[in-house]
This record gives sequence, structure tokens and C-alpha cells, in this order.
Amino acid sequence: QLQLQESGPGLVKPAETLSLTCTVSGGSISSSRYYWGWIRQPPGKGLEWIGSMSYNGDTYFNPSLKSRVTISIDTSKNQFSLKLSSLTAADTAVYYCARPSQQLVGGVFDSWGQGTLVTVSS
Amino acid sequence: EIVLTQSPATLSLSPGERATLSCRASQSVSSYLVWYQQKPGQAPRLLINDASNRATGIPARFSGSGSGTDFTLTISSLEPEDFAVYYCQQRSNWPLTFGGGTKVEIK
Repeated sequence: QLQLQESGPGLVKPAETLSLTCTVSGGSISSSRYYWGWIRQPPGKGLEWIGSMSYNGDTYFNPSLKSRVTISIDTSKNQFSLKLSSLTAADTAVYYCARPSQQLVGGVFDSWGQGTLVTVSS
Repeated sequence: EIVLTQSPATLSLSPGERATLSCRASQSVSSYLVWYQQKPGQAPRLLINDASNRATGIPARFSGSGSGTDFTLTISSLEPEDFAVYYCQQRSNWPLTFGGGTKVEIK
């Protein structure tokens, strides 16, 4: 059974860069053709897609975040990662990693991590 | 960017009643519309894919319909565990976008 687990700091300072990792178990990132995604949810608000990275390295980003976001895959560790720079309080959110239900299809997320709360504060 | 507008923002119903949730897209997304359910403190759960296809393990009381710009999620008879927030999301075009959500609360 596929499992995803986010990890990273719970508190980061304004203007710094957030680094989160999603560890995948029960399936191999390198042997599949999925679009691995990151989604966030500010406290009490709705879902916001951050970006996705495909099996072949193509990346797709939310235009509102594109200039600050990097997504990468480490097949040796079966992980994919998110970096978000120039943080402000508006970036405070629960961050989820997720995988779509089908290969070669973006955006139908049926496997999710539990989410990790990131607070941006000095 | 495709904007998804969900209505109503809140739906107050009793168990056993029928729930009808709407999602409208700013341009056609064909049938590439997804529905999720989210309960407090939990990650979203995939309900419906491609407008009308129930995901694995989703009860038959959940159904989706629509195409183009207008979509509906129907819960035929609300069970206590169905009170939650529901989001639509389009996968027709990058960037992926979500609607603002509809909260189904107990009346």
C-alpha cells in the first residue's frame, strides 16, 4: 500500500526558504510515470495546488508561486522535495504531498501524506 | 488559469437528506473535474474523478454529473460521516485549480 510522509521544519522565519521532503513507501518513484504533487492549505482556508513534477522531470507550477518554488525528485531515496523561498506569513499552511491515481495523469490525487503544518514567524 | 466557483459556501442539512453541491468553471474543462471530501484534521479524500466516476471504495450515495463548465456533486442521503467540506478541482489544464469549497454541516 502506497504511503507518503512529509517531513521538514514546523517553524521558519520570514524571508527564509522552506524545505520539505515527501518520503514514498510501498511504491517506487523511479519505476512509475506519475506527476508527484504538492498542495497546501492555510489554516481555516481552502486547498491551493503548488506544483507537480512528472516522472521525466517536467515541472508545473502555480503561477502565483512559480518564481519561488522548486520541486525535485531523489530516486535514490524514493523522495520528492519542495523548496519555497522568500517566505511570508501568508505561506503559513499545512503542506501536503500527493500522488495521482493514474500514471501520466496530473491532478487526480488519491494518495496523500498526512500533511505538515508550517508556520512562518520570527 | 481556470477559476472554479463552488456554491453554496455552506449547506445545512439533516441526516437522510439529499445534498446538491455545485461547481462552475470559468471556461470549459470538458469532463476533467474531480471532487474531494475533507474532514477536520485530515487530508482530502478523492471521491469522484472525471466528473462522474466514483473512486475506489466510495459509496454509491455519492454521484457526480456535468460537463463543460457546470458540475454537480450529489449525496443522495446524508450519513453522519458525510458532514465535511467538499472541494472540486479541474485537471483539464495546468495550472491545476481548486474551488473554494462547500461545507456540509448538520442542521
